[in-house]
Amino acid sequence: NAGVTQTPKFQVLKTGQSMTLQCAQDMNHNSMYWYRQDPGMGLRLIYYSASEGTTDKGEVPNGYNVSRLNKREFSLRLESAAPSQTSVYFCASMTSGDYEQYFGPGTRLTVT
Amino acid sequence: DQQVKQNSPSLSVQEGRISILNCDYTNSMFDYFLWYKKYPAEGPTFLISISSIKDKNEDGRFTVFLNKSAKHLSLHIVPSQPGDSAVYFCAATYLSGNTGKLIFGQGTTLQVKP
Repeated sequence: NAGVTQTPKFQVLKTGQSMTLQCAQDMNHNSMYWYRQDPGMGLRLIYYSASEGTTDKGEVPNGYNVSRLNKREFSLRLESAAPSQTSVYFCASMTSGDYEQYFGPGTRLTVT
Repeated sequence: DQQVKQNSPSLSVQEGRISILNCDYTNSMFDYFLWYKKYPAEGPTFLISISSIKDKNEDGRFTVFLNKSAKHLSLHIVPSQPGDSAVYFCAATYLSGNTGKLIFGQGTTLQVKP
């Protein structure tokens, strides 16, 4: 039981490049979330998927897109990376009726 | 506008003493609160939570207090241990809608000295 896994762990991009961050969970959770963590800002919600087949914007969705590929997988795409997207990205999942989210280990992204 | 605030970026305590981490919120519609703990290079892990219908919840060395009138919650760790050194985030959510969206504070770095 791996919990929530994220790939890659580290990534360096040049401005304008695109990439997809992958997230998978093996806990049969319905809901999945993408956050970014910046110094002094805590964690901010980018997008979430309350259930398979649905996605919704969070606090800071601009510059990102998501895909809930199936119940297990929720990916985050940066179409044209900008230096302001340099951050640590966390994926999380949660089962319905609960409020405890389980987080992955994070992806550290640097955009130069 | 920051709806959940942790005004102390850092806290240092001696091993065996009490650690008190504070959190304030502005939105009176929040009805469920959580504390997460984060070690470097790891994802946050759930620590303890409290519903707005309670004013205290205890789990071993960890106790969370909620003062709804002051829109304030605090996490008490007694006794503090060096392994408790980490960043602590408080978070708030609305139970209605069941989206699970969490609003996080900025975090407080706790250092417990041996």
